[in-house]
Amino acid sequence: DAGVIQSPRHEVTEMGQEVTLRCKPISGHNSLFWYRQTMMRGLELLIYFNNNVPIDDSGMPEDRFSAKMPNASFSTLKIQPSEPRDSAVYFCASSPGSWFNITDTQYFGPGTRLTVL
Amino acid sequence: SQQGEEDPQALSIQEGENATMNCSYKTSINNLQWYRQNSGRGLVHLILIRSNEREKHSGRLRVTLDTSKKSSSLLITASRAADTASYFCATEGNTPLVFGKGTRLSVIA
Repeated sequence: DAGVIQSPRHEVTEMGQEVTLRCKPISGHNSLFWYRQTMMRGLELLIYFNNNVPIDDSGMPEDRFSAKMPNASFSTLKIQPSEPRDSAVYFCASSPGSWFNITDTQYFGPGTRLTVL
Repeated sequence: SQQGEEDPQALSIQEGENATMNCSYKTSINNLQWYRQNSGRGLVHLILIRSNEREKHSGRLRVTLDTSKKSSSLLITASRAADTASYFCATEGNTPLVFGKGTRLSVIA
């Protein structure tokens, strides 16, 4: 298995631009998580999906952030418009857990390093 | 918040020595997990210990859990330079995993 795949690996953009991060979870996994990691705040859970349905998006910092999971093999995290304080590493993770056992070992992708100038 | 807090924030040891990292949390949990993150990479799961377990081993790793003190420890025995990484505890209660800020371990050859 290729593991969790994220693209792009690096993204540099200017303030005000739209940014779309992509994630392909491990096949057969039921849960998908988006995290943001910064030195100051550590690893923060932004949103998670179970069976393609958003379960909890309380970690999404602002309305500028949105996430979708149109099918079991693809998810996007969009920031529009982007701001310099959004600069961070964004991780996607998946796990086999289902809605009644959503917590399970999580498998992380390599991350997308976002820099907003 | 059930967020775990690792201690120390940074640890530097010589190759061959043992490394001990601690994690404290605030609320009741179902399980606690330890993850490792190499520089520039994603997190990798190391070990999971359930709330009814007190100790667990995996290779050179030993994890303990004391639910009365709301704390856990990760021991890496006979450390190697390749163990250099950040180590995170993650707690699971009524919500998915909540990660601490990690311990940065440096193993000097």
